[in-house]
Amino acid sequence: GDSVTQMEGPVTLSEEAFLTINCTYTATGYPSLFWYVQYPGEGLQLLLKATKADDKGSNKGFEATYRKETTSFHLEKGSVQVSDSAVYFCALRAMAGGTSYGKLTFGQGTILTVHP
Amino acid sequence: ETGVTQTPRHLVMGMTNKKSLKCEQHLGHNAMYWYKQSAKKPLELMFVYNFKEQTENNSVPSRFSPECPNSSHLFLHLHTLQPEDSALYLCASSRVEGVNTEAFFGQGTRLTVV
Repeated sequence: GDSVTQMEGPVTLSEEAFLTINCTYTATGYPSLFWYVQYPGEGLQLLLKATKADDKGSNKGFEATYRKETTSFHLEKGSVQVSDSAVYFCALRAMAGGTSYGKLTFGQGTILTVHP
Repeated sequence: ETGVTQTPRHLVMGMTNKKSLKCEQHLGHNAMYWYKQSAKKPLELMFVYNFKEQTENNSVPSRFSPECPNSSHLFLHLHTLQPEDSALYLCASSRVEGVNTEAFFGQGTRLTVV
């Protein structure tokens, strides 16, 4: 079945440090890939997405590139801020023939804490 | 504001109570989902509805009963819950066709079973 594996957290960084959160996946078909972010006390918000191989998703300084050869979708940011402290989830939706299977598969989440 | 609204935001209930969680979206989506988020555990998919039909039930105990009367509304009926059912319950919606199939989440209902 489909699965998503994220790097174990928690990740603790100082402000302006470089961030990488690794994400690898297994899936049938041609999945779309997503990163979601969850701030304290909130639901999940879509951060960025990529729908086909070599696509780069970007938003709020975060980037991730869909690498089919390594089945990866690592999240990066060049300079983190305290306000980036949150839980980050990698996810996939398997696609075939333009129709999804209606199921979003999530990784276990990575807690990021950024100190001033 | 994601366009998915959940009520109530917080709920405390006894093990013999019956309550319902409500989710509403007016994004034109045709799939809706219930997820359970417990402390120190991955997100657990509970139920999926595509075009108002339940397409997935991930071995959820019968004390949780979903209802999807139309493509904009989703309910989760709760009865005789256990303390271990205390969690954040998240509703989401999405399209199931095309390229833009990302899910939009509500803010969740924080449920405490006492």
